Amino acid sequence: EIVLTQSPGTLSLSPGERATLSCRASQSVGSSYLAWYLQKPGQAPRLLLYGASNRATGIPDRFSGSGSGTDFTLTISSLEPEDFAVYYCQQYDNSPQGTTFGGGTKVEIK
Amino acid sequence: QVQLQESGPGLVKPSETLSLTCAVSGYSISSGYFWGWIRQPPGKGLEWIGNLHHSGNTFYNASLKSRLTMSVDTSKNQFSLKLSSVTATDTAVYYCARVAPGYTYGYVAYWGQGTLVTVSS
Repeated sequence: EIVLTQSPGTLSLSPGERATLSCRASQSVGSSYLAWYLQKPGQAPRLLLYGASNRATGIPDRFSGSGSGTDFTLTISSLEPEDFAVYYCQQYDNSPQGTTFGGGTKVEIK
Repeated sequence: QVQLQESGPGLVKPSETLSLTCAVSGYSISSGYFWGWIRQPPGKGLEWIGNLHHSGNTFYNASLKSRLTMSVDTSKNQFSLKLSSVTATDTAVYYCARVAPGYTYGYVAYWGQGTLVTVSS
C-alpha cells in the first residue's frame, strides 16, 4: 500500500499569507494520481485538486498544486478566512491495494 | 446535481454488524461510476473502506475485507455497507461517495454529509 505523509502537521499563518503544504508518498504515484481536499469541522471533505494540479469545479485560482512521483505540494497563494481548515491528500494510483489518504495538515489562524 | 445521503443506526453494540445505506439522487447508479464508502474516526484522518459498481464488482480495503460486504440496489438507487464483528475502533463518521469517472479508486467530487456510528454497549 502507498503511504502518504503530510507535513507539517499544523501550519499557523495569518490571512493574506502564503501556505505551502507537502504530501510525500512511500512509492511513486503513477500519472500524478493525487488529489487534495479541504475539510472544515463537521463537514465532508471538499475536492480541491485532482491529477496533482487540476482545480475542481468552483475552486478559486489561489489554490494550486504541483509535483510528481513521490513529492507533491499544495499552495494557497493568499489565505482567505474560509481557507483555515484541515487539508488531506489522496493517491488513487489504481493499484490493487486501493486508495489511501494522508494524515492531514491543519492550517490554523496565527 | 448528484446528492448522496447516508442512513443507519447511530449506535451499534460490539460484535454486532454495522449496516448503512446510501441513497443517491440526481444520478442513476445504473448509469455507471464506482460508488464507495470512506470513514473517519473522531479527530482522525480518512480511511477508504471499499468501492462497488452497479454490475456488482466490489473492491475492499484489505484490512477490512474479512468483515465487509457492500451491495447495490439499482431499483432503489442506493448502495449499502455491512461491517460485521465491530469493535470500538470502528467508531467513525461514515461517508458514502461517488468515485470520479473512469476510475475504480479515483478521487471523490461527490460526498454524502456523513453519519456518525458509535460502537458501544
